[in-house]
Amino acid sequence: GQQLNQSPQSMFIQEGEDVSMNCTSSSIFNTWLWYKQDPGEGPVLLIALYKAGELTSNGRLTAQFGITRKDSFLNISASIPSDVGIYFCAGLTSGSARQPTFGSGTQLTVLP
Amino acid sequence: KAGVTQTPRYLIKTRGQQVTLSCSPISGHRSVSWYQQTPGQGLQFLFEYFSETQRNKGNFPGRFSGRQFSNSRSEMNVSTLELGDSALYLCASSRDRYNEQFFGPGTRLTVL
Repeated sequence: GQQLNQSPQSMFIQEGEDVSMNCTSSSIFNTWLWYKQDPGEGPVLLIALYKAGELTSNGRLTAQFGITRKDSFLNISASIPSDVGIYFCAGLTSGSARQPTFGSGTQLTVLP
Repeated sequence: KAGVTQTPRYLIKTRGQQVTLSCSPISGHRSVSWYQQTPGQGLQFLFEYFSETQRNKGNFPGRFSGRQFSNSRSEMNVSTLELGDSALYLCASSRDRYNEQFFGPGTRLTVL
């Protein structure tokens, strides 16, 4: 079945630093999604990407849909304490009966 | 527009009991999916409902079941609870089957 490799698994960064995380797959996706999950809450959709090469921003967050359609990147600039949480990527394949494929998550810790 | 709501938010049960969780999707969304999330296993897909029919099922035992009503609200049921069923159960809705999913806050189930 489809699998997503999300890296890194965890990150410890200083407040103010930039962050990068990515997801790669052996399969092609038509849509890439990035979610953030706070402890005890459900994942919140941050950014959705629909076209290969697309670069989309949401405040300090920027995500890109890889040209090969097999990868995606999420960057967070000038991190702040409330960026702490788990970030998940998810890939969607249109016209398929499969559910979204989720990455295993990146746990982000921002140190003051 | 109201988001996905799940009730109850927290539940404590004992082994052998059964439990029913409820999910109300975003207005206009017709697809509802359920996931189990545990620290070690990440997001595990349970099942998807669309137009009151189960369209997809994950690799979970028959003790896990669900249904969807004509107003798209969904319930999931777990019978004969086991300790390993302790998890955060997440419901996600999407407009149609292949669109991005929006998650509810989850129901935290603890089995003693």
